[in-house]
Amino acid sequence: GNSVTQMEGPVTLSEEAFLTINCTYTATGYPSLFWYVQYPGEGLQLLLKATKADDKGSNKGFEATYRKETTSFHLEKGSVQVSDSAVYFCALGSYIPTFGRGTSLIVHP
Amino acid sequence: EAGVVQSPRYKIIEKKQPVAFWCNPISGHNTLYWYRQNLGQGPELLIRYENEEAVDDSQLPKDRFSAERLKGVDSTLKIQPAELGDSAVYLCASSDRVGNTEAFFGQGTRLTVV
Repeated sequence: GNSVTQMEGPVTLSEEAFLTINCTYTATGYPSLFWYVQYPGEGLQLLLKATKADDKGSNKGFEATYRKETTSFHLEKGSVQVSDSAVYFCALGSYIPTFGRGTSLIVHP
Repeated sequence: EAGVVQSPRYKIIEKKQPVAFWCNPISGHNTLYWYRQNLGQGPELLIRYENEEAVDDSQLPKDRFSAERLKGVDSTLKIQPAELGDSAVYLCASSDRVGNTEAFFGQGTRLTVV
């Protein structure tokens, strides 16, 4: 069946540091891939998505590229801010949307 | 546009008691999901509705969990009787179609069973 594997957290960075959160997946067919973010006390919200191989999703300075050859969808940001502190979930879309376990990001001033 | 609305936000009950969660999806969204999120884990699907029909419920513990979506709009998830291991956040989400599409989530209901 489908599955998503994310790097374990927490990831702790200083403000303006470069961020990478790794995500790999196993799926049948060609699912869309998503990154969701969950801020403290809030529900999950879509951060970015990519619908086919080599697509790049981007939003709020975050980027992720759909790599079919490596079955990956790593999240990157060039310069993180304290306000980016949250839990990030990689997910693949299908009839049964599947989520990774989440990676907590903590950004210090 | 209003988002997905869930209530209550928090619920504390004793084990063996019943509990119910309510969800109002985004208007026009035919697909509705209930997820359970354990601490430090990602959401796990419990049940998916297409309009009023439950089409994926293989992960729903049917001995104690039940769900309904009358008239294909609001939905209720019930647990009876609750067990200590049911403590989690219960998330409702909706989307405008099934498949490779974004899901919109409510804030969730945090259930604590003592």
